[in-house]
Amino acid sequence: KNQVEQSPQSLIILEGKNCTLQCNYTVSPFSNLRWYKQDTGRGPVSLTIMTFSENTKSNGRYTATLDADTKQSSLHITASQLSDSASYICVVSAGISGGYNKLIFGAGTRLAVHP
Amino acid sequence: KAGVTQTPRYLIKTRGQQVTLSCSPISGHRSVSWYQQTPGQGLQFLFEYFSETQRNKGNFPGRFSGRQFSNSRSEMNVSTLELGDSALYLCASSLDRGLGYTFGSGTRLTVV
Repeated sequence: KNQVEQSPQSLIILEGKNCTLQCNYTVSPFSNLRWYKQDTGRGPVSLTIMTFSENTKSNGRYTATLDADTKQSSLHITASQLSDSASYICVVSAGISGGYNKLIFGAGTRLAVHP
Repeated sequence: KAGVTQTPRYLIKTRGQQVTLSCSPISGHRSVSWYQQTPGQGLQFLFEYFSETQRNKGNFPGRFSGRQFSNSRSEMNVSTLELGDSALYLCASSLDRGLGYTFGSGTRLTVV
């Protein structure tokens, strides 16, 4: 069964600190993995997308890593800011027949950055 | 370049009523997919349309339906609303099936 599990479920950190969010998946066949940031009441915004051959992808203070062997990904946030407070969703794309990719969503990690 | 536009942003309906939500994709995007997001269930896939054809459907009852027009704009309809249908409904568009998805801001539906 295709699944995406994220940890922790929620996280509180102080402004300026770093943090790492985890994503473990059992998705086959794997096509790509994306991290999205979702502010409360808004739609998710793409942070990074990685294919099988990519190990690391950065987007400003956000760095995603992918280990296709262990089927794990992490999102590292450096020097956190209050605006980083949001839900972070890991989405894995499974390639299925007809060239169509099915998206499997993690439940998200809710990050709160406190001053 | 305009993003994905969803209307309305907020909606309050009564149990038993029906509702239609609209999604205008990014210009040139032919794939539109719909999702329901609730605090307890997270993001759940409803269906995806590509060139006016429904390509895939999630595990939702037949009360949830959709369609896509020739200009790629899509509508989602929910009939006989239930309290449990209260959620944020998101649509996402992409150039083609399986490529990078851009989400709209969503429609917050409240059923009372």
